[in-house]
Amino acid sequence: DSGVTQTPKHLITATGQRVTLRCSPRSGDLSVYWYQQSLDQGLQFLIQYYNGEERAKGNILERFSAQQFPDLHSELNLSSLELGDSALYFCASSVVIAGELFFGEGSRLTVL
Amino acid sequence: KNEVEQSPQNLTAQEGEFITINCSYSVGISALHWLQQHPGGGIVSLFMLSSGKKKHGRLIATINIQEKHSSLHITASHPRDSAVYICAAPSNTGNQFYFGTGTSLTVIP
Repeated sequence: DSGVTQTPKHLITATGQRVTLRCSPRSGDLSVYWYQQSLDQGLQFLIQYYNGEERAKGNILERFSAQQFPDLHSELNLSSLELGDSALYFCASSVVIAGELFFGEGSRLTVL
Repeated sequence: KNEVEQSPQNLTAQEGEFITINCSYSVGISALHWLQQHPGGGIVSLFMLSSGKKKHGRLIATINIQEKHSSLHITASHPRDSAVYICAAPSNTGNQFYFGTGTSLTVIP
């Protein structure tokens, strides 16, 4: 158990819908990263937060947004979903920026 | 060119064999990370190293900062080692990580 909690674990929805993925980092970790992993693909960096502030953005679509709340949990919002958004979405946390990463179990999104 | 390159992409070994996975990176880094992704999808951090060598059980990771190269070795491989191994390097600012494409390892009994 990494200490990082992601919900939901599985999500099936239809094209055009909107979903919210939630991540609770390990206690004390200030840095939260979101990654997307499509089938048989590598990890793609989406966005990073540190202590409530957005610090870096990767190839995150405009349809996607995220935030980190004062209690340090984070949410990734995916809207106007397309078939190609089907993927595993991982959240990872670390104590410091670029520190050892602790991954959640991922949220598997299927868009039909 | 990717910031992080891994080889081989796929590797099949007999149980008991010594395994080496290589990682080269082009960015300046504070530390290199090795991750393991299980067949079920979960990812765990194996090593974070900035110099020399680290050992954990049958796993050994080495890094050569001057050559920008790291290796992950598995001694006496076992079928439960079957997984995807990923190396990752933080960007100069540390605000994101660059990931290798992963090495899919299958250890046959």
